[in-house]
Amino acid sequence: DAGVTQSPTHLIKTRGQHVTLRCSPISGHKSVSWYQQVLGQGPQFIFQYYEKEERGRGNFPDRFSARQFPNYSSELNVNALLLGDSALYLCASSAQTGDTEAFFGQGTRLTVV
Amino acid sequence: QQQVKQSPQSLIVQKGGISIINCAYENTAFDYFPWYQQFPGKGPALLIAIRPDVSEKKEGRFTISFNKSAKQFSLHIMDSQPGDSATYFCAASKGSNTGKLIFGQGTTLQVKP
Repeated sequence: DAGVTQSPTHLIKTRGQHVTLRCSPISGHKSVSWYQQVLGQGPQFIFQYYEKEERGRGNFPDRFSARQFPNYSSELNVNALLLGDSALYLCASSAQTGDTEAFFGQGTRLTVV
Repeated sequence: QQQVKQSPQSLIVQKGGISIINCAYENTAFDYFPWYQQFPGKGPALLIAIRPDVSEKKEGRFTISFNKSAKQFSLHIMDSQPGDSATYFCAASKGSNTGKLIFGQGTTLQVKP
């Protein structure tokens, strides 16, 4: 069975540009969460979606947005990129919001220059 | 506000030794405490998790010890092996929401042969 898949794996963008990151959860999983992991730090929670509705949002500016599609895949969008947005962006999926293990993808490495 | 504090930042252990990583949390509403292992270029993978109704949980060479009154929990890796060399993260969440995790800063473990 395929795990959580994220695309692209690596991405280089220029300051001010927009980026879209994509995540396909494990088949049957309805909850998708996004995290930002800056080099040398732990992942920071950005968004959680369950059944296509936002269930939580971390302390990130409005430049960050996300959505979940009917097939439970998800997109993370970041507008007006800053150098500080350079990080590994991780997607995690779980069957439900609670009491079930969250599985992480390998992440998208975003570099803003 | 750092809600989950992890120590040490780095750890070097001889093969066969015991690796101990500690975490402290502030929010008494947290009720799910997982440990994740992350290898370079990979997403975090769940090692073991505990809930506050038990003080210890063991899975193979990995043990979580939990002290609710002190708001602390720790990971013990027995008989540490070079293959255990990785970065370890503790995390916590409220309402057993496994998709909204608050991570510690991480501990880089090196097991010397």
